[in-house]
Amino acid sequence: DQQVKQNSPSLSVQEGRISILNCDYTNSMFDYFLWYKKYPAEGPTFLISISSIKDKNEDGRFTVFLNKSAKHLSLHIVPSQPGDSAVYFCAASCNSSMNYGGSQGNLIFGKGTKLSVKP
Amino acid sequence: EAGVAQSPRYKIIEKRQSVAFWCNPISGHATLYWYQQILGQGPKLLIQFQNNGVVDDSQLPKDRFSAERLKGVDSTLKIQPAKLEDSAVYLCASRGQGYEQYFGPGTRLTVT
Repeated sequence: DQQVKQNSPSLSVQEGRISILNCDYTNSMFDYFLWYKKYPAEGPTFLISISSIKDKNEDGRFTVFLNKSAKHLSLHIVPSQPGDSAVYFCAASCNSSMNYGGSQGNLIFGKGTKLSVKP
Repeated sequence: EAGVAQSPRYKIIEKRQSVAFWCNPISGHATLYWYQQILGQGPKLLIQFQNNGVVDDSQLPKDRFSAERLKGVDSTLKIQPAKLEDSAVYLCASRGQGYEQYFGPGTRLTVT
């Protein structure tokens, strides 16, 4: 059973426009969410994160939104650039609940969304 | 600050052979992880170390996989004997005080 889902395998966007990548989760005990970017033949690179006590976190062109009631988060990239073309992974972890069935702090990843930004 | 180092970057072996991967985490990071990433999937945790102790190895196939972190710094992951389904990228990550994990470049293993 997938606890973190990225339902769009791919997304194509024109340079300069907004890219919106979506992620859904099922475990309400997750309290920290992260986005990673991965280029071919490289390891995932940490991009941005958000705690469950917030609903928005912004870092330059990247903004992550969290909707806890819907168990949904999204990554917005504005404006999109060709160098943003990569696979983006959403990840979630539980760091504080004593009732969490898994190991605290461990990341559960989605399957990734391949973003292509066309010039 | 140097990142997570891994070697080798690529390895091709035949099934039933053994293979070992090496990881050197970011200096000062006490927590180290090994992940397996199969093509088209997200990374899946194999084992977590805190210093030189195992915190979570519930998803490690212990009949063929083993890992150690003897001095609380470098770590090795071994597969013996390898199966075709072990073909994947093996990622090492480390974590400091925050919740973010930082990944190495990975080792791409092909089992023929």
